[in-house]
Amino acid sequence: SQQGEEDPQALSIQEGENATMNCSYKTSINNLQWYRQNSGRGLVHLILIRSNEREKHSGRLRVTLDTSKKSSSLLITASRAADTASYFCAGAQTGANNLFFGTGTRLTVIP
Amino acid sequence: SQTIHQWPATLVQPVGSPLSLECTVEGTSNPNLYWYRQAAGRGLQLLFYSIGIGQISSEVPQNLSASRPQDRQFILSSKKLLLSDSGFYLCAWSPDRPSYNEQFFGPGTRLTVL
Repeated sequence: SQQGEEDPQALSIQEGENATMNCSYKTSINNLQWYRQNSGRGLVHLILIRSNEREKHSGRLRVTLDTSKKSSSLLITASRAADTASYFCAGAQTGANNLFFGTGTRLTVIP
Repeated sequence: SQTIHQWPATLVQPVGSPLSLECTVEGTSNPNLYWYRQAAGRGLQLLFYSIGIGQISSEVPQNLSASRPQDRQFILSSKKLLLSDSGFYLCAWSPDRPSYNEQFFGPGTRLTVL
């Protein structure tokens, strides 16, 4: 069964606007990661937030984590056309050797 | 620096034919290795992972198998492909358990079974 879900499934915004994507998950995690995938390519790691952290920033990215609600959000500020991609959250379950991935949000930034 | 290679990039195979996809990692030793499948417009499904040579864990029952004959080589195989095996296959590595580190992905192989 799917252990991570994201919403919205698709998001279309104008260049310069902010984009927010949400992730909900079902199990206890050590960390929550966000990845980006350009069409037909491999995934690229963006940011990792640990279970004892509530917020983290990296450039134009801001990630929050609420372990009590089992949810995370990714905010991309001042979006650019080059940000057009699919974004996935991924959770590292406590004690596991692998990640579970969310269903992804497809972001389109219109120039 | 570390790099991960996958080949081939694309593959079209008839139903019932065998499959061999290869993944190699350079610039690191004893990596954790992973095979994922991604259906069109969907998330990633973990197929296999390996924490060492000859150590393979399977996540879902399926028509595929994996092997790790060398420390930095991970192979995905099938004896007879099914239509449902079509998809985008991604190999990934991490230096340690995901509890501590991110994963690094290869460019992927797009497999079409006809």
